[in-house]
Formats: sequence, C-alpha cells, structure tokens
Amino acid sequence: GQQVMQIPQYQHVQEGEDFTTYCNSSTTLSNIQWYKQRPGGHPVFLIQLVKSGEVKKQKRLTFQFGEAKKNSSLHITATQTTDVGTYFCAGPTGQGGKLIFGQGTELSVKP
Amino acid sequence: GAGVSQSPSNKVTEKGKDVELRCDPISGHTALYWYRQSLGQGLEFLIYFQGNSAPDKSGLPSDRFSAERTGGSVSTLTIQRTQQEDSAVYLCASSLAASGGLETQYFGPGTRLLVL
Repeated sequence: GQQVMQIPQYQHVQEGEDFTTYCNSSTTLSNIQWYKQRPGGHPVFLIQLVKSGEVKKQKRLTFQFGEAKKNSSLHITATQTTDVGTYFCAGPTGQGGKLIFGQGTELSVKP
Repeated sequence: GAGVSQSPSNKVTEKGKDVELRCDPISGHTALYWYRQSLGQGLEFLIYFQGNSAPDKSGLPSDRFSAERTGGSVSTLTIQRTQQEDSAVYLCASSLAASGGLETQYFGPGTRLLVL
C-alpha cells in the first residue's frame, strides 16, 4: 500500500544550527502538506506544495517539493527554541480528503 | 470558538467500559476526520466523513470502534469494551471539503484516553 516515510525520526540540534527533515512517498503525489505539532499540542498546518520542483519559504523555513513529486523536504535555518516540535508531512491518498501522514521528525533544540 | 473543539479533553476509564468522544468541527466544514496518536507516534487514520456519510472506514482498528456524524456537524467516536491498547490521543480534524487531499485540515486539541 501507499507509504510516506520521514527521516530522521529524531533530530537534536544546538540553537542556531540548521535542521532538515525529508519526506519520501512510495507513490507520486498531487500535493504535499506539512504540519507542526508542538509538545503536548495538536498538528497545525504549515504549508502546501503543489507544483513539481516548487520551493516555498516562510521566514527561516524552506519547503521543497521534488521534481518527481515523490519527495519533499523542510529546512530550518538557524533553529530557535520555538522551533521545537514534531514536523509531519502528509500526502493525499486519492480517496476523498484522506491524507496519509509520515511518522514525523521530532526536533529538539538545545539553547 | 472558531476552531475545532473536542470533548472530553481527558478521559480515564476502566477496561471493558464504553467511551464516547465528541468532535465539533469548524462551522461550514463538510469534511471531518478522526485520527489516533499513541505516545510519541505518528497519526493513525481512523475514519473520515464527507457530510454525514463515511466513504472510508478502513482505519477503524476493530469492530469495537464506530463513528457517526449527524447534521453534517458534530461527530462522535465510540469505543466499546475498551482495552488498554486503546489508550492514546484521539484527534479530530475538519476541512472545507474532502477534495482530493487539497484541503487544509484543522485539528482539534484531542481527547487523551487512558484505559486502566
């Protein structure tokens, strides 16, 4: 069946260091979404990418959708303690609005 | 409020009891989703509704789990004869529609279920 994999599962960085999480789908995706879940919180939508090779930026966050639309990445420049949380990618399954989520990358930032 | 609300926020129950979890989606959102998240794990899809109908129930773990939605709004997830492995956070999300996964899903705060 369709799978969405994320690596790494955990990432510990020093404040100020960069961070990247990678998302790989077993199937071509029409779009990909990214969500952030703070510790003890619920997932919050960050962004959606639709076009092949698309790159979008939100301040220190850079999102990229691969040319083949099977992979995506989230890069954070100069991490801050406010970046702590788990980052999930999610792709459509072709079954209505159902999304399949990656397992998430948990980011911890040491001040 | 303007967001997705869920109740109760926490539920402790004894093994074998039934529980009912409630989700109030954002007003006007026709699609509603239930997920389960075990400690430190990802999101496990359970079921979604488009209006009052559930086109995909494939994620329900067993026949002890059921869900309904009435009036195109509130949804309840019922777990019968709870087991300890049912302990998790149950998250509800809603979106404007279920249009091929293009819609942003807005999550509620979740219900933390603990089965003793």
